[in-house]
Amino acid sequence: KQEVTQIPAALSVPEGENLVLNCSFTDSAIYNLQWFRQDPGKGLTSLLLIQSSQREQTSGRLNASLDKSSGRSTLYIAASQPGDSATYLCVRAAGNKLTFGGGTRVLVKP
Amino acid sequence: NAGVTQTPKFRILKIGQSMTLQCAQDMNHNYMYWYRQDPGMGLKLIYYSVGAGITDKGEVPNGYNVSRSTTEDFPLRLELAAPSQTSVYFCASLGTGLAKNIQYFGAGTRLSVL
Repeated sequence: KQEVTQIPAALSVPEGENLVLNCSFTDSAIYNLQWFRQDPGKGLTSLLLIQSSQREQTSGRLNASLDKSSGRSTLYIAASQPGDSATYLCVRAAGNKLTFGGGTRVLVKP
Repeated sequence: NAGVTQTPKFRILKIGQSMTLQCAQDMNHNYMYWYRQDPGMGLKLIYYSVGAGITDKGEVPNGYNVSRSTTEDFPLRLELAAPSQTSVYFCASLGTGLAKNIQYFGAGTRLSVL
């Protein structure tokens, strides 16, 4: 059974520190990888999408990498801010099949 | 484009009541999905559709029904609400072309069954 695991489940850092969120998969089939942000009581906001042929994507302070050989993706958030506090989800998309990680709850303290 | 629109945003039901969660997208996407998210848990797929007239079960379909009479609309029906269906429900569609494999989500419907 395909599983997507996110470690750590929760993370608390002081403002200004860099954040590193990990996502791992149990197989290395061809897929796309998408990172979402979820704020309490709100929906999901797409952050970055890495196509199966790509190794990383960058948007502002966010950088996501994909290593299919090891079945891992990492989301980096540089110089964290209190507004970055949210739950971050990684989603493995193989065609129309989506597999969600359990999420990492991030708290950035001022 | 409005994207994916879900209504209502909040709803409280009594046990045994029924309701329909509405989902509409204006991006002409073929693939649409319904997920539920329980507190502290990840998203689980309830039903999905690959196009008008075609629906299929996901991981947790029991207690729900769906229909897809048009490309735009994908309503989720709860016939006999149970406390176990208290959750946040998300509808999503899958992009095409340059947006292939990008998921577009609605804002969610928070449902409580008491």
